[in-house]
Amino acid sequence: AQSVTQLGSHVSVSEGALVLLRCNYSSSVPPYLFWYVQYPNQGLQLLLKYTSAATLVKGINGFEAEFKKSETSFHLTKPSAHMSDAAEYFCAVRRQGGSEKLVFGKGTKLTVNP
Amino acid sequence: DGGITQSPKYLFRKEGQNVTLSCEQNLNHDAMYWYRQDPGQGLRLIYYSQIVNDFQKGDIAEGYSVSREKKESFPLTVTSAQKNPTAFYLCAANRGHGSGANVLTFGAGSRLTVL
Repeated sequence: AQSVTQLGSHVSVSEGALVLLRCNYSSSVPPYLFWYVQYPNQGLQLLLKYTSAATLVKGINGFEAEFKKSETSFHLTKPSAHMSDAAEYFCAVRRQGGSEKLVFGKGTKLTVNP
Repeated sequence: DGGITQSPKYLFRKEGQNVTLSCEQNLNHDAMYWYRQDPGQGLRLIYYSQIVNDFQKGDIAEGYSVSREKKESFPLTVTSAQKNPTAFYLCAANRGHGSGANVLTFGAGSRLTVL
């Protein structure tokens, strides 16, 4: 069964520093992978998705993620953190069997310090 | 702009009461979903519907019920059988097929608190 593990429930960076949020997946078939962002008391917004095309995926707000099959990873990065990046980030994998349901990780809360 | 509207945003319930959370979409998407979010646990799937008049249980369906009488509407009822209903509830939708089918669009959520 597909699953994702997000390493670190909380990550804190300084404004202008590199953001790295880790996600490892488990899938017996080529996965579809996603990163979503959630601001307080709001729904989730899609940041980016991997669907077996380019391994480096660029998303909104300057974020990108690299699919590494050998490491079963899909880490999210941003070269320079901004205060507005403070939010919770979720990695997700599409379930097997042609279903459109997603399995979500437990989330990583990003804090950006001035 | 198309989107998903959830109401109410905040809801308080006494123990033993059923409550219904509304979810309406104007995206013309076939598939709709209900997720429950608890701190530190991510999102867990309650129910989903891929077509009108049909729905399936997700991972944590016990104590919940849904209906899908119209394409644009997918209400969730939290029944008195749900032992721990205090949570943030998120409704989502996607095309359910074809390219771009995997991208979920979410509503803003409903926060239910049991007093």
